[in-house]
Amino acid sequence: GAVVSQHPSRVICKSGTSVKIECRSLDFQATTMFWYRQFPKKSLMLMATSNEGSKATYEQGVEKDKFLINHASLTLSTLTVTSAHPEDSSFYICSANQVTYNEQFFGPGTRLTVL
Amino acid sequence: GNSVTQMEGPVTLSEEAFLTINCTYTATGYPSLFWYVQYPGEGLQLLLKATKADDKGSNKGFEATYRKETTSFHLEKGSVQVSDSAVYFCALSDTSGTYKYIFGTGTRLKVLA
Repeated sequence: GAVVSQHPSRVICKSGTSVKIECRSLDFQATTMFWYRQFPKKSLMLMATSNEGSKATYEQGVEKDKFLINHASLTLSTLTVTSAHPEDSSFYICSANQVTYNEQFFGPGTRLTVL
Repeated sequence: GNSVTQMEGPVTLSEEAFLTINCTYTATGYPSLFWYVQYPGEGLQLLLKATKADDKGSNKGFEATYRKETTSFHLEKGSVQVSDSAVYFCALSDTSGTYKYIFGTGTRLKVLA
């Protein structure tokens, strides 16, 4: 089946620094990827749709300058949390849309802790 | 707009009990429907899916049938195990061409030995 990886799986950073999270589709090309945020014991909140070769589409209420998304190739999307603060601490999950199956495949998630 | 309503948890069952987790949806068009499972500290794993009315998805003893007449996709398992303890999410694929998924709030299942 289609596999999506995320790196890193866990990251701890100091307040004010920026953190980059990578999402890769390992065995298929994905023109569309998605970034979700999950708070403890809560559902997934869609942050943005990442489109290869064009700007990301952000959901209402998500700061695009805070959460920078780049989808530079058909197998890689990155989420950069800029000037991170403790309230940005969360579990971030990406998914990639596999066109043939018309289905999203999810990465294992990245746990971000901002001190 | 499209939406998913999932029963509130947590659900606590004894091992070998019957499980039902209710999921209903509102959608225009014909979405695909999914159940995902999330174990502690991990990402989402697809449990099963159905792409059209009357389809039954099944995997690892879990089943769900796409019921268009009742707009439901309830998850069932005849005999749960302790290892089934996890959070279960119902989801549908957006029908407006965005490829987005809409998730329910999740139901936490705890199975006691």
